[in-house]
Amino acid sequence: NAGVTQTPKFRVLKTGQSMTLLCAQDMNHEYMYWYRQDPGMGLRLIHYSVGEGTTAKGEVPDGYNVSRLKKQNFLLGLESAAPSQTSVYFCASSPKPGNTIYFGEGSWLTVV
Amino acid sequence: QKEVEQDPGPLSVPEGAIVSLNCTYSNSAFQYFMWYRQYSRKGPELLMYTYSSGNKEDGRFTAQVDKSSKYISLFIRDSQPSDSATYLCAILQAGGTSYGKLTFGQGTILTVHP
Repeated sequence: NAGVTQTPKFRVLKTGQSMTLLCAQDMNHEYMYWYRQDPGMGLRLIHYSVGEGTTAKGEVPDGYNVSRLKKQNFLLGLESAAPSQTSVYFCASSPKPGNTIYFGEGSWLTVV
Repeated sequence: QKEVEQDPGPLSVPEGAIVSLNCTYSNSAFQYFMWYRQYSRKGPELLMYTYSSGNKEDGRFTAQVDKSSKYISLFIRDSQPSDSATYLCAILQAGGTSYGKLTFGQGTILTVHP
């Protein structure tokens, strides 16, 4: 998955703690996405961005915030982590609709 | 109702079988249709994409889109054990207020046994 890097790859949080997941791409892509993946649920869109300075809600945005201050970075924040947010998080980017979408390797988050 | 519905399976077939995977969608603004394959603990990888009704072939894979029925399919011919993975349909809105929104189905777990 060259070009899309997620940080961190693994993290354990206590309920109520906050954290930020960073997605960085070096391909000058306009579109960036954050998904979560849970067993039997496929990939569910949390938030997405169609360009620097823009964000939009996806299917499951509650409990998350995002920012796209720089074109190459898309940050996903959890203000007060809950056990229901235990999941695998994937970031993706694309130059424009209809082009190949590149995924990161995933970030495994456990909230206890 | 989810915007994209996909039967999660699991689906188990013998080697050499033809596999049919299907999704339905609800939003007419959807314009790009994709199929991804995902191996355990890995990110999804793109198999095929199309934006028009009809069939598109790539080797053993055929993607089919029926916009009038809001139905998409992926066929795998001569299936191999290496095809065992989770298959996800994905649909991109390339118009309207949700331009750029990419929505996935739940994924179908496929096992091809020798």
